[in-house]
Amino acid sequence: NAGVTQTPKFRILKIGQSMTLQCTQDMNHNYMYWYRQDPGMGLKLIYYSVGAGITDKGEVPNGYNVSRSTTEDFPLRLELAAPSQTSVYFCASSEGMNTEAFFGQGTRLTVV
Amino acid sequence: GENVEQHPSTLSVQEGDSAVIKCTYSDSASNYFPWYKQELGKRPQLIIDIRSNVGEKKDQRIAVTLNKTAKHFSLHITETQPEDSAVYFCAASRNSGTYKYIFGTGTRLKVLA
Repeated sequence: NAGVTQTPKFRILKIGQSMTLQCTQDMNHNYMYWYRQDPGMGLKLIYYSVGAGITDKGEVPNGYNVSRSTTEDFPLRLELAAPSQTSVYFCASSEGMNTEAFFGQGTRLTVV
Repeated sequence: GENVEQHPSTLSVQEGDSAVIKCTYSDSASNYFPWYKQELGKRPQLIIDIRSNVGEKKDQRIAVTLNKTAKHFSLHITETQPEDSAVYFCAASRNSGTYKYIFGTGTRLKVLA
């Protein structure tokens, strides 16, 4: 099992550009999450999904969108990049509620 | 909304000493409390977790205690070693109502040789 795989690992965006962070998992997990981690800060939940076709907002959803068309994939979309979105983004998945979350290796995004 | 506070933000201990990290949660419906370790430049990984029907859980040098009345839980690391140096995150979640998996702000632990 590869676990949770994120692409790209690094990206530099200009203000106003758009991009999609890809996340895929091969553990057949129903639950998937997107977090952002700012320097010296904790993990803030952006969006999560409890299964294909179902998504919901987390703590900091503004400026982001998600979709979940398959169990495996949970892409995160930034429509109009802003400097405040400079962060490290982690995708994670879990088998169910209240279980261990498995994280991807992270995407370091810089908006200039 | 739901909130998880974590203290201290940084902690330095001498090798061999114990380290304690504390978290407080606001959602009384939370019933799952995991702890994650994140080494520099790497992804967070689960080290131990506890559910609300248990007051304490141990795994070798690591233990977690839970006080549901006070809504706080703590991570205890005994006989610390240099490889314990990392950022530790607590989290809280529940399996009823609106599901959330919320993390604390993290504690940077430095074990001094």
